[in-house]
Amino acid sequence: KAGVTQTPRYLIKTRGQQVTLSCSPISGHRSVSWYQQTPGQGLQFLFEYFSETQRNKGNFPGRFSGRQFSNSRSEMNVSTLELGDSALYLCASSLIPTSGDYNEQFFGPGTRLTVL
Amino acid sequence: GIQVEQSPPDLILQEGANSTLRCNFSDSVNNLQWFHQNPWGQLINLFYIPSGTKQNGRLSATTVATERYSLLYISSSQTTDSGVYFCAVESGNEKLTFGTGTRLTIIP
Repeated sequence: KAGVTQTPRYLIKTRGQQVTLSCSPISGHRSVSWYQQTPGQGLQFLFEYFSETQRNKGNFPGRFSGRQFSNSRSEMNVSTLELGDSALYLCASSLIPTSGDYNEQFFGPGTRLTVL
Repeated sequence: GIQVEQSPPDLILQEGANSTLRCNFSDSVNNLQWFHQNPWGQLINLFYIPSGTKQNGRLSATTVATERYSLLYISSSQTTDSGVYFCAVESGNEKLTFGTGTRLTIIP
């Protein structure tokens, strides 16, 4: 079955713009999590969605937001982009919300965002 | 929150050598995964191993949950094994927390 897909794969924006990234989980997976990867901070958790509800949020400013649709697809939005938002944004899906008995997460290929 | 430390940070080996990567974590975990990140950034699942031992071909992993560490073994290394290996854990209601990774370089 198809893996996690993310679109677009690459994106170039300028400071002050906003961006929306999309993630389609593995079929049957209902939980979607987002992570940011930068050379300086490594991989950091952004937020998790399950049944269209945000279940957990990492330590990121309110400019970072997300949502999940009834088909489990998820989008994340970053408003008023800053240079420091340049990163690889990774989406992961799992069968159930994490912190369960079996909650292996599977990652998409990522969206590489460059802010100029 | 939980702390995850990986060692060594960098490892350079000749093709055919064996290696052991270590992941230490600071609290009990209910999920532990090992990933290999390829040069394009894709995180590839290697093992889901909150406890016990698993093997998959030349790779194997062991997690000793009571002592709060996990080991990833790579035998007969190949150049395609090069990349960054991450350990990631979940503890309680905390989300997947990643270590800083081990960068493995296999020289032909």
